[in-house]
Amino acid sequence: GQNIDQPTEMTATEGAIVQINCTYQTSGFNGLFWYQQHAGEAPTFLSYNVLDGLEEKGRFSSFLSRSKGYSYLLLKELQMKDSASYLCAVLSNDYKLSFGAGTTVTVRA
Amino acid sequence: IAGITQAPTSQILAAGRRMTLRCTQDMRHNAMYWYRQDLGLGLRLIHYSNTAGTTGKGEVPDGYSVSRANTDDFPLTLASAVPSQTSVYFCASSDSPGSGTDTQYFGPGTRLTVL
Repeated sequence: GQNIDQPTEMTATEGAIVQINCTYQTSGFNGLFWYQQHAGEAPTFLSYNVLDGLEEKGRFSSFLSRSKGYSYLLLKELQMKDSASYLCAVLSNDYKLSFGAGTTVTVRA
Repeated sequence: IAGITQAPTSQILAAGRRMTLRCTQDMRHNAMYWYRQDLGLGLRLIHYSNTAGTTGKGEVPDGYSVSRANTDDFPLTLASAVPSQTSVYFCASSDSPGSGTDTQYFGPGTRLTVL
């Protein structure tokens, strides 16, 4: 089976930095995805990591350590519009995505 | 380009009734997927199709069926709805199933309540 863990909730102040951790134990590994989901809306793709290291994309960065089964999503210069759920998902041996339960980030003024 | 559309947006259904959720994509993607999303559980794969004419079972397929007669459409049918099927259903598509770089794109979802 697949086991993907991430914190349920995080709160941060506008302009600050927040790091969302994700640990996984899956049947094989073919990549890790982060999605953003605003309340009542569809998940939208944020980032993809398959090799160890940091991928930076504007205010958002994603890090992967395959040996540790660990990833994080870093959100910098937080804005109110970043209030959303962030979903960690792993592409396993059968090339199917397994999702964590999501981390709800609340940005306060 | 609309991307992925789903219908209906929301539905209240009596237990025991049959219901088909519709999903259409205009990106000519090879693969399509159905997920359900429940509070605290995240997205769970119900059924998938890697190409027109083929389907496969996901993590939670019981009580659901799908068909893939063409590239664009992937309907999900609940033959006899039960209250535990109350959920938000998302359809997704991707271009290159079996590729590590394959990215899934999601439709707006259908909120289904079974009473």
